[in-house]
Amino acid sequence: GAVVSQHPSWVICKSGTSVKIECRSLDFQATTMFWYRQFPKQSLMLMATSNEGSKATYEQGVEKDKFLINHASLTLSTLTVTSAHPEDSSFYICSATLGNRGGSEQYFGPGTRLTVT
Amino acid sequence: GDSVTQMEGPVTLSEEAFLTINCTYTATGYPSLFWYVQYPGEGLQLLLKATKADDKGSNKGFEATYRKETTSFHLEKGSVQVSDSAVYFCALRTTDSWGKLQFGAGTQVVVTP
Repeated sequence: GAVVSQHPSWVICKSGTSVKIECRSLDFQATTMFWYRQFPKQSLMLMATSNEGSKATYEQGVEKDKFLINHASLTLSTLTVTSAHPEDSSFYICSATLGNRGGSEQYFGPGTRLTVT
Repeated sequence: GDSVTQMEGPVTLSEEAFLTINCTYTATGYPSLFWYVQYPGEGLQLLLKATKADDKGSNKGFEATYRKETTSFHLEKGSVQVSDSAVYFCALRTTDSWGKLQFGAGTQVVVTP
């Protein structure tokens, strides 16, 4: 149980276009989802916390107008990278929690590799 | 703010060698501590966790003990296998209402036959 999927697993797009990444909890309802960014050979950087039905909470330094997050249902959150540039190329990972409080374990998706040319 | 510091890699070992990856943390309150593993091309998997001082987490031959006095959570395995080659992340869960994870930089482990 507690499986999280991401789609697509990899995507290549041209500079200036927008890309949408989906994160789904397959067998549980996820009140809270997190979005991370991972640069090559580096750690995960939390971008935002997403709660179903409300606006996402972004970490300091993350542009909310560039990285649009929508948590439309208890099983789906999306991250849209708008007007993508080569520096947005990265590995994006989502996670989901079963509960709505800090004590809940996070389950991670397999990640989406974005390459902007 | 909360932070996690772990030893830099890569760590290269021969099969059946003893593995230790050091992890120390700085946090307010009493965070939970985790080790995650990331195999090449895959997402993170929870390896083990400890939620309070002196707890020992264990899984797949790996162990780590939550040491409050030294603010440490070092990962150990007595005899590694080639299949243990991966990147290992130490993390703490903040005590705020959302339980955000703060990750260390990750340590790559390479086990050779």
